Amino acid sequence: EADIYQTPRYLVIGTGKKITLECSQTMGHDKMYWYQQDPGMELHLIHYSYGVNSTEKGDLSSESTVSRIRTEHFPLTLESARPSHTSQYLCASSPSGLAGAINEQFFGPGTRLTVL
Amino acid sequence: GNSVTQMEGPVTLSEEAFLTINCTYTATGYPSLFWYVQYPGEGLQLLLKATKADDKGSNKGFEATYRKETTSFHLEKGSVQVSDSAVYFCALSESNTGKLIFGQGTTLQVKP
Repeated sequence: EADIYQTPRYLVIGTGKKITLECSQTMGHDKMYWYQQDPGMELHLIHYSYGVNSTEKGDLSSESTVSRIRTEHFPLTLESARPSHTSQYLCASSPSGLAGAINEQFFGPGTRLTVL
Repeated sequence: GNSVTQMEGPVTLSEEAFLTINCTYTATGYPSLFWYVQYPGEGLQLLLKATKADDKGSNKGFEATYRKETTSFHLEKGSVQVSDSAVYFCALSESNTGKLIFGQGTTLQVKP
């Protein structure tokens, strides 16, 4: 069973607030990812990391930023939230090396963000 | 570039009906292929996977076969249940980056 956690599960905040969405995994995976999911369900990769101190922007441009100071932790930050940031955010991780050859990703439960 | 195309939903079936959700892909190299399922209010769960041509992935009565000649990975189940109602995503992994490329998702509704 995958052990990847996201907090909070639901967040409702006002415009202009700074927020951090937490993602942690206990599987020792090197690779971690953040996806934004539309109400219409499509998933968009917004950030990824291949290890500590490695972060890259994904295929969809995002005003959020990420950091990877520890292997198990990959938080996402919005400096000034806007209604256009309202979405579901999913975190995932996958192993490297031989186990990573298949590139299977394990997903957290998601954070549903609403910006008023 | 790499891409995944799924049949559009929603797919509405009666309980015990046969299910097929079509998935085709475009990719360079030899990607692994996946089906993920998302139940309401939850994240994605891996349903099944196949790592090379002619592999058949199976789980919980669902099956999909990696067909390189038709670049397809169609999901099938012989008899669906109400509890199978969810959104299903087909995905491939990029051989060089390890990133997953997802289809747009297909909603399945199973009625009693």
